[in-house]
Amino acid sequence: AQRVTQPEKLLSVFKGAPVELKCNYSYSGSPELFWYVQYSRQRLQLLLRHISRESIKGFTADLNKGETSFHLKKPFAQEEDSAMYYCALKGQGAQKLVFGQGTRLTINP
Amino acid sequence: DTGVSQDPRHKITKRGQNVTFRCDPISEHNRLYWYRQTLGQGPEFLTYFQNEAQLEKSRLLSDRFSAERPKGSFSTLEIQRTEQGDSAMYLCASSLALPGSGEYFGPGTRLTVL
Repeated sequence: AQRVTQPEKLLSVFKGAPVELKCNYSYSGSPELFWYVQYSRQRLQLLLRHISRESIKGFTADLNKGETSFHLKKPFAQEEDSAMYYCALKGQGAQKLVFGQGTRLTINP
Repeated sequence: DTGVSQDPRHKITKRGQNVTFRCDPISEHNRLYWYRQTLGQGPEFLTYFQNEAQLEKSRLLSDRFSAERPKGSFSTLEIQRTEQGDSAMYLCASSLALPGSGEYFGPGTRLTVL
């Protein structure tokens, strides 16, 4: 079965501090992993996809197949990073996204 | 084209009534998805279309739910005989049919069943 676990429902850090949002997945094959973000009163939007190996808004995420993790990191948090973050998985050959429950990130000034 | 649009944005209905939602995807996207999101949860997959063909349906999609995409452009999601448990945010998304393509979401339709 495909499953995505985000162990932290809430995460609060101070501005300028490093941020790590955890994501673990359960899938027997080679998945595609994504991070989506939802800012207040805005729609869900794609932040990162592992296949692109990109850095967006200072965020990076590395797929660790051994630990089945795809943690999202940023070295210096900014107040505008406050949002709801969802990790999502797409199985091999599959089209549907399987989402975690989400982590609400709050950056304190 | 400003992205995926959904109509209506909010719908309040009484139990037992039928409701229909519309989604207009990004014009060049041939895949269209419906998800449902309840409070405190991530979105859950309902169904998806490639062009006009409905290729996958979740077990969440009971017989009371039906989705169509008749011309491969916009899609409708109908819920018949609504129940209070149907109250949720219904999200539409679209994407290109390419590996690694992320899905672009609409603003959602919030359904409240009284």
